[in-house]
Amino acid sequence: DGGITQSPKYLFRKEGQNVTLSCEQNLNHDAMYWYRQDPGQGLRLIYYSQIVNDFQKGDIAEGYSVSREKKESFPLTVTSAQKNPTAFYLCASSIGGPDTQYFGPGTRLTVL
Amino acid sequence: DQQVKQNSPSLSVQEGRISILNCDYTNSMFDYFLWYKKYPAEGPTFLISISSIKDKNEDGRFTVFLNKSAKHLSLHIVPSQPGDSAVYFCAAILSGGYNKLIFGAGTRLAVHP
Repeated sequence: DGGITQSPKYLFRKEGQNVTLSCEQNLNHDAMYWYRQDPGQGLRLIYYSQIVNDFQKGDIAEGYSVSREKKESFPLTVTSAQKNPTAFYLCASSIGGPDTQYFGPGTRLTVL
Repeated sequence: DQQVKQNSPSLSVQEGRISILNCDYTNSMFDYFLWYKKYPAEGPTFLISISSIKDKNEDGRFTVFLNKSAKHLSLHIVPSQPGDSAVYFCAAILSGGYNKLIFGAGTRLAVHP
């Protein structure tokens, strides 16, 4: 079955700690994305990667970091510099170019 | 500055009737539009899309209409079913961009018997 997996589904972190969210896809998609959703708001783009070993900042990249060492994987690190990290995080992928993005099931991060 | 707006936060429709979800946009350079459906604590699921060169696209019970002059997009669901109850997001892609999706805030649809 092709798809996008995110783990874990729920994550708790103490204030001041870094945490890494996993995103894996076996769709052979070139492009991958990280979004954040807050209550009552649409999704906002954190980072995106159009190809392996390349990534770009989205609209709200401050306090986050990513890597793209493999086509299948695009992990997101939420650093202690992110002022309001509690949110629902969504990973997506697409073939590339203007095209449909497909989303994973999401990770809900709560900072205690 | 919201480039994609869904002005109705919620909509309630009776089962079997038509649901119409609306979306307005401000940037005339958007050239591709998508609708996603989202259940709580899950990722959005792609529903239907439309290119800016078209004014209508249909897929089963779902039809998307695009009015470029009015910068308006709508999703029609007919007939509505209880399983359609979810949050619906409108999204747009900028031409010449890197496939960045710009989302509206979403409309919560409730279909009741």
